Formats: sequence, C-alpha cells, structure tokens
Amino acid sequence: GAGVSQSPSNKVTEKGKDVELRCDPISGHTALYWYRQSLGQGLEFLIYFQGNSAPDKSGLPSDRFSAERTGGSVSTLTIQRTQQEDSAVYLCASSLGAGDSPLHFGNGTRLTVT
Amino acid sequence: AQSVTQPDIHITVSEGASLELRCNYSYGATPYLFWYVQSPGQGLQLLLKYFSGDTLVQGIKGFEAEFKRSQSSFNLRKPSVHWSDAAEYFCAVGARGGGFKTIFGAGTRLFVKA
Repeated sequence: GAGVSQSPSNKVTEKGKDVELRCDPISGHTALYWYRQSLGQGLEFLIYFQGNSAPDKSGLPSDRFSAERTGGSVSTLTIQRTQQEDSAVYLCASSLGAGDSPLHFGNGTRLTVT
Repeated sequence: AQSVTQPDIHITVSEGASLELRCNYSYGATPYLFWYVQSPGQGLQLLLKYFSGDTLVQGIKGFEAEFKRSQSSFNLRKPSVHWSDAAEYFCAVGARGGGFKTIFGAGTRLFVKA
C-alpha cells in the first residue's frame, strides 16, 4: 500500500497476556518510530529504528516492552504481561530517515487491557 | 536532547476568528520544526515544516507558522478558523544530529464554536 499500515486496528486482551502489534512502513523509508498516545496525552516516544543502526530504545517504559524490525522493513512491538496502564493507541510512523523528513503515520492500534 | 512544550491543553475559538497555537522548544541548535494535525478518527497529518531560510512558513489548509529563534518558539496561526479545523494539533522537533529522532509536544485540542 501507499501508506503506513498497522495491524490489528483494535486489540482487547486480558491483563497478564502478551500482545504483538505490527507495523508495515512505507517502502523505502529507513526510519521507523513507535509512539504511544493515551487518552488526553500527547505522543509518547517509545522506540526509533534508523537503517542498520542500533535502535534508540530510550522511550520504552519498562522491560516488558520490546520491538524489532526485520529486514529493515516490518516492525513488531511486543508487550509482555500486559497491564491496564498499557491501554492506549500505539502509533507507528516512518520517514526517509533524516531529521528534516516528516513522519508518515499509520492509523494506530487501539489496545485495551481488561 | 530536544524537548517541546505546548502550553495550552485546549483552546476554543469562534468560527471566523483568528487562531494562534503556541509551541516552545528546547534544543542546542536550530532544530527542524513541524506541526501535525490529528482530526477526530483520523491519523496524524503534516501541516507544515521549518528547516531553514524564511522564518514564516506556509502550510496546508491556510495555516502558517513563524520560527522565532530569540523566543525558541514556532507558533501556528490561521487568520480565519473554520469548523472543520477542530482537531488536536501537535508541535514536533527533529534533531539535526545524532539520532535524528522526532519528539512531540503534548498537543493542543482546538474547539471551534459557531
């Protein structure tokens, strides 16, 4: 597709379960970001991949969160042992990679932990 | 590391009135600056960006923003607001060096009254 694709669009899970969120960036975009948007909150930076460099994981809130990017393309954000405070919209964005490149966002995955 | 402050959590303006949304940034050099809009049920969309040169930049939907280095500000303006402008607006800063990651402010929600 032409844009950033995220799946699933909605995910409801029980507390303590693991979840995987997927992001398919725009072809050719070397940079990929994950952000979290909670109700009434801004965009919280989680992790940033740029080409073959080591990812910037400085925004991950705990060691229950991890992400990988395979083959420089698709990325998966994994949350282990989910907690209710993990409920949020998880947004993925990609860009051409330089700091002046605007981000192209997916529609997000709405995660609800019950 | 860069940071972004949007002092106003929400603003209400009358349709046809002018609008100014505030954004202040912290960064050691001239950053890359962006404004994004998130309409209800929509993904984030780039409104405009500043990289260098003319400090007044024009964007889509009749928006403009002015970079003021002395005030570390990048305020968004529109001369006449339309009801369809009701949305959440995010200011963002991209670094010119290092990891290039983009950091967002907390957002300002705009309400438009008839």
